Amino acid sequence: GESVGLHLPTLSVQEGDNSIINCAYSNSASDYFIWYKQESGKGPQFIIDIRSNMDKRQGQRVTVLLNKTVKHLSLQIAATQPGDSAVYFCAEVFSGGYNKLIFGAGTRLAVHP
Amino acid sequence: NAGVTQTPKFQVLKTGQSMTLQCAQDMNHEYMSWYRQDPGMGLRLIHYSVGAGITDQGEVPNGYNVSRSTTEDFPLRLLSAAPSQTSVYFCASSWHGTENTEAFFGQGTRLTVV
Repeated sequence: GESVGLHLPTLSVQEGDNSIINCAYSNSASDYFIWYKQESGKGPQFIIDIRSNMDKRQGQRVTVLLNKTVKHLSLQIAATQPGDSAVYFCAEVFSGGYNKLIFGAGTRLAVHP
Repeated sequence: NAGVTQTPKFQVLKTGQSMTLQCAQDMNHEYMSWYRQDPGMGLRLIHYSVGAGITDQGEVPNGYNVSRSTTEDFPLRLLSAAPSQTSVYFCASSWHGTENTEAFFGQGTRLTVV
């Protein structure tokens, strides 16, 4: 899993700070957007999703913002913890209801004590 | 609850060899898919299936075949392995529809073709 993170942009934050991870998407026809977290050596894990007709959705310590005007998605993590260190991917889901995911390249989040 | 199980976890092949990556899920999900993950490129969709007997191509299908004879299993076949197929492969499953978007991923198969 370590080679997955090579060449990815990295966001470094201090423990306890808030983190903001950004993602640009290309297809205006996407039904919804999803954020996944991938820890070293593991498969991606679902964090939160947002439908295309929404602009904000909150979960536990996470908030996703969607700006359709500029085709931009962000994931905000409050009070970042060492366990949040991972690679984060945004994914678009296209119409048809088949949950066909198209992933972005990912961002590595490094949390320092 | 096993979720999505992939085998093997690691595999080394010689160029030209064939092999099958196994994927099984025990959640009765209709939708299953295969992705490959290369450094700095995220996950790319290879093939997917919306139910037993139904498969379709994703973004990067060349060099791979799939079949879906049961709801539980979705094997990925490499007919003649090439070094360009060196990657980490992930299988995922989810419900069909937009009410529940969560896809569950296996632990991955790290494949090296020499």
